[in-house]
Amino acid sequence: QSALTQPASVSGSPGQSITISCTGTSSDINFYNYVSWYQQHPGKAPKLMMFEVSHRPSGVSYRFSGSKSGNTASLTISGLQPEDEADYFCSSYTSRNTPWVFGGGTKLSVL
Amino acid sequence: EVQLVESGGGFVQPGGSLRLSCAASEFIFSNYWMHWVRQVPGRGLAWVSRISTDGSTTIYADSVKGRFSVSRDNAKNTLYLQMNSLRAEDSATYFCVREGCSGVSCYFHHWGQGTQVIVSS
Repeated sequence: QSALTQPASVSGSPGQSITISCTGTSSDINFYNYVSWYQQHPGKAPKLMMFEVSHRPSGVSYRFSGSKSGNTASLTISGLQPEDEADYFCSSYTSRNTPWVFGGGTKLSVL
Repeated sequence: EVQLVESGGGFVQPGGSLRLSCAASEFIFSNYWMHWVRQVPGRGLAWVSRISTDGSTTIYADSVKGRFSVSRDNAKNTLYLQMNSLRAEDSATYFCVREGCSGVSCYFHHWGQGTQVIVSS
């Protein structure tokens, strides 16, 4: 069982917007602005898509944005494109013994 | 482009040992903290270990503490993970990850392709 909770799947049509949530606790997401998001296509390595809640690394499309409210962080993808279909994982720094935790992942389907 | 290439995975019996390697290139390896992160199919990602630039500081997930040991050879641009007393639940794909830091926080910036470890009798 993952420390952060994500929906197992979300879906959307090309051009639409979707939001993936990531719920943690007062020991991680609520306490730190150290949430990051990763995209993983089948058989590939994860790719950093967002860090510090809402900062996009160089090369990541402006269609990706991040936010946080209380214990929940969110990744929004606007103008969905077929290549966005992938698994998405959130991560946060935490004050627990194991300093980094991940969500269980969300499978995004672009219908 | 940052290159991280893991090797050393394979099939091992419970209680056995395995050493993973990660060859780094196209960046100054000795300047970066490094991590190991593992992934069990269908069960998401899990952080395993972190090592400082000079190897003097290491930290482990509770699930592997006392059994796994991370090290690095900056002269060879290589990261290692020595895994002892392996259990079935250690079966996963292990990723070598270069840390990125903004000055405020650190995150998992560049990932290798991973090497698979299967622990089974």
